[in-house]
Amino acid sequence: GNSVTQMEGPVTLSEEAFLTINCTYTATGYPSLFWYVQYPGEGLQLLLKATKADDKGSNKGFEATYRKETTSFHLEKGSVQVSDSAVYFCALTMARGGADGLTFGKGTHLIIQP
Amino acid sequence: GAGVSQTPSNKVTEKGKYVELRCDPISGHTALYWYRQSLGQGPEFLIYFQGTGAADDSGLPNDRFFAVRPEGSVSTLKIQRTERGDSAVYLCASSLTGNHEQYFGPGTRLTVT
Repeated sequence: GNSVTQMEGPVTLSEEAFLTINCTYTATGYPSLFWYVQYPGEGLQLLLKATKADDKGSNKGFEATYRKETTSFHLEKGSVQVSDSAVYFCALTMARGGADGLTFGKGTHLIIQP
Repeated sequence: GAGVSQTPSNKVTEKGKYVELRCDPISGHTALYWYRQSLGQGPEFLIYFQGTGAADDSGLPNDRFFAVRPEGSVSTLKIQRTERGDSAVYLCASSLTGNHEQYFGPGTRLTVT
């Protein structure tokens, strides 16, 4: 079946540091890929997405590129802020043009220290 | 506009009891999803509805779990004979047909004692 593997947390960084959270996937076919974020006390929110190989999703200074050759979708940000502290989830779906359930990774807890 | 809402926000029940969890999707969203999130894990897909019908219920763990969406809007997740292992946060999400973006509710934290 389909699966998502992301780096274990917690990841602790200082403010303005460079961030990478690794995500790799296993899927039969070509999934759409997502990063969701869960801020403390809030619900899951879509951060960014990419629907085909070599697409780059971006939002709020975060980026991730869909790499088919390495089956990866690593999340990056050039300069993190304390407000980026949250749990980040990588996810995929096989749906094309229709609704489908998401397969999530276990989540990576990011802690940014001032 | 209003987002996805879920009630109750917290539910404590005794082992063996029956519980119902409610989800109100975003108005106009025809697709609705249920997930379960255990502590330290990512959300796990349970079931999704397209309109009133369950288009995919492959994630339901066993026949104690059932969900309905009789009028294509509000959905109820029903758990019979609850077990301590059912303790988790139950998340609901909705989306427009053909649009992958799912909008999540705040979840219901279920604790089975």
